[in-house]
Parts: sequence; C-alpha cells; structure tokens
Amino acid sequence: DAGVTQSPTHLIKTRGQQVTLRCSPISGHKSVSWYQQVLGQGPQFIFQYYEKEERGRGNFPDRFSARQFPNYSSELNVNALLLGDSALYLCASLPDLGGTGELFFGEGSRLTVL
Amino acid sequence: AQRVTQPEKLLSVFKGAPVELKCNYSYSGSPELFWYVQYSRQRLQLLLRHISRESIKGFTADLNKGETSFHLKKPFAQEEDSAMYYCALSGAGGTSYGKLTFGQGTILTVHP
Repeated sequence: DAGVTQSPTHLIKTRGQQVTLRCSPISGHKSVSWYQQVLGQGPQFIFQYYEKEERGRGNFPDRFSARQFPNYSSELNVNALLLGDSALYLCASLPDLGGTGELFFGEGSRLTVL
Repeated sequence: AQRVTQPEKLLSVFKGAPVELKCNYSYSGSPELFWYVQYSRQRLQLLLRHISRESIKGFTADLNKGETSFHLKKPFAQEEDSAMYYCALSGAGGTSYGKLTFGQGTILTVHP
C-alpha cells in the first residue's frame, strides 16, 4: 500500500530560481498539508488544502504558493528562491476532517539553494 | 501565538531505565496534543495523541493543563526506542489537525 509520495526527493537550485514540489496523498485522503523543516528544527506549517480549497496558511511570504488538484494531489511552488529556503519540505495527508487527527507524512523533498 | 517547547535536544539513557521526554506548550483555547516519532531512515509517524489516552509501545503521555505540559514517559526504555521525538499541538478537530505546531524535537538514544 503506497503511502504519501513526494517528488523530487532531492533538488538543487540557485538563488532567484523557482521550484515546484509535488505530493500524492494516500488514496482516499482529501486533505494535504505542507511543512518546511530546516535542519535542526521541527517541521513548520506552510499550507493546508482540503477538497481543493486552501484551509490554512502559516507564516510564510507570498513567494510560497500551493494548489490541490481534483485527484487530491498537490503542488508547492516557491518563487525567487533564497538561501534560507534550503530545507526538507514535507507533505502530509489526512483522510478527511475530524477523525483521529493522525497525519500521514511523506519522506520529503530536500531542497538546496546555492 | 501557539508554541511548543521541548527543552532537551538530546537525551541519553541506558536500556531498562525510565525515560521522560518533556514538552510544554502555550495555546489560548483547548489544544490537542500529539507525539510524533521518526526512527532512523523512516518517515515521521504518529506515536500517540492525548485524546486517545492509550499506551503505545509502552509510552504514555498525560496532558496537564495546569502546567501546560504533555510529557512522554516510558518506565523501561528499549534500544529500539532510539529515535527523534516531536511534540505537536493543534486546535480541536476538523482541519485544525492538518495545521500542527511542532516542537524542535528530542533525540533519544538508548544505550545497551
């Protein structure tokens, strides 16, 4: 049974470039959340989408954007990359609203900005 | 603003010893608290949540609203408990579950 899948697993970009990260939730899961994890820190909430609508946004600049598709997969876009955007980007899915609240995480996309 | 604090970045114990991983939080309202764990080369996964009040892999955690704490405890640590542990907080129910606030994490090492 496939868990949450993310792509790419690793990527290197230079300052000023743009990046798109992709996430496929567990089959049947309707909610996707994105987190940024800087080395040595806990994950920090960026966005949550449910049924293709944004349901929450963390304290991140407008350079960060996301969307969710009809098949519940999601993309995270970051424009005008800065060195400080280097991090592990985690995607997590929820089956629906309510329930146990257990988030299912992917293995992450590690972004390095040079 | 909501915040989760895990005061210990590293915690080392010997096999069979009791272990306690500390977590303190600040939140205006009724939070839900979770412990997530990441074993070596595995993805982040839920260990337990305060609402379920269950013991998972011998671990328990009690929500103390007076002290705003949610410490994780195990009476007899095992080597396989070595991992990174994160305390996390959300609002109650609904889409709040997807908006977790995490602590910085504690690396637990259990020595043989």
